[in-house]
Amino acid sequence: LAKITQPISMDSYEGQEVNITCSHNNIATNDYITWYQQFPSQGPRFIIQGYKTKVTNEVASLFIPADRKSSTLSLPRVSLSDTAVYYCLVVPISGGSYIPTFGRGTSLIVHP
Amino acid sequence: ETGVTQTPRHLVMGMTNKKSLKCEQHLGHNAMYWYKQSAKKPLELMFVYSLEERVENNSVPSRFSPECPNSSHLFLHLHTLQPEDSALYLCASSQESRAGNEQYFGPGTRLTVT
Repeated sequence: LAKITQPISMDSYEGQEVNITCSHNNIATNDYITWYQQFPSQGPRFIIQGYKTKVTNEVASLFIPADRKSSTLSLPRVSLSDTAVYYCLVVPISGGSYIPTFGRGTSLIVHP
Repeated sequence: ETGVTQTPRHLVMGMTNKKSLKCEQHLGHNAMYWYKQSAKKPLELMFVYSLEERVENNSVPSRFSPECPNSSHLFLHLHTLQPEDSALYLCASSQESRAGNEQYFGPGTRLTVT
């Protein structure tokens, strides 16, 4: 199983771009990289997923280098409502057993 | 968002009690999951049900017993729990149980074992 390492916490200010990097040195060739967001008293919510290079959707971008040993979640122009815990995880692609490996989460605090 | 509901939201039980957590998904998904979220620990997958296949994390103690009577309902039966089992138990569902399928989480059940 991949070992996931991500910063425990980060601080930012409204309007800034935030980049959260996750390390997954022993990621397997059949693993996807996925990010979730969690607010207090709620379950996690899917943000973005990718396998390699760059993926962008309406809320974030995900950058994955060629060796796939790390990934960076980029949140453009954060607001106070982006204050949450962000989880990096790797997920096997195969259609059989599904055992994801989660990081411990990065607590992002956005200041006014 | 009410796609995945969980009851109860809070539960306090003694170590000799038997209780069950319930999860229901209204999204037409084929896979459902139980996760355990403890303070200062990564989110831990406990069980997966996909169609009629069950996958479990081998580290989950036998005092946790899942039941999936159909693709919309999932239960977690609890018996003779320990104080270290106190945690947030999250249910999730997805179209299929593999990468590329976004998981939708419920709000969780906060369990306290006394």
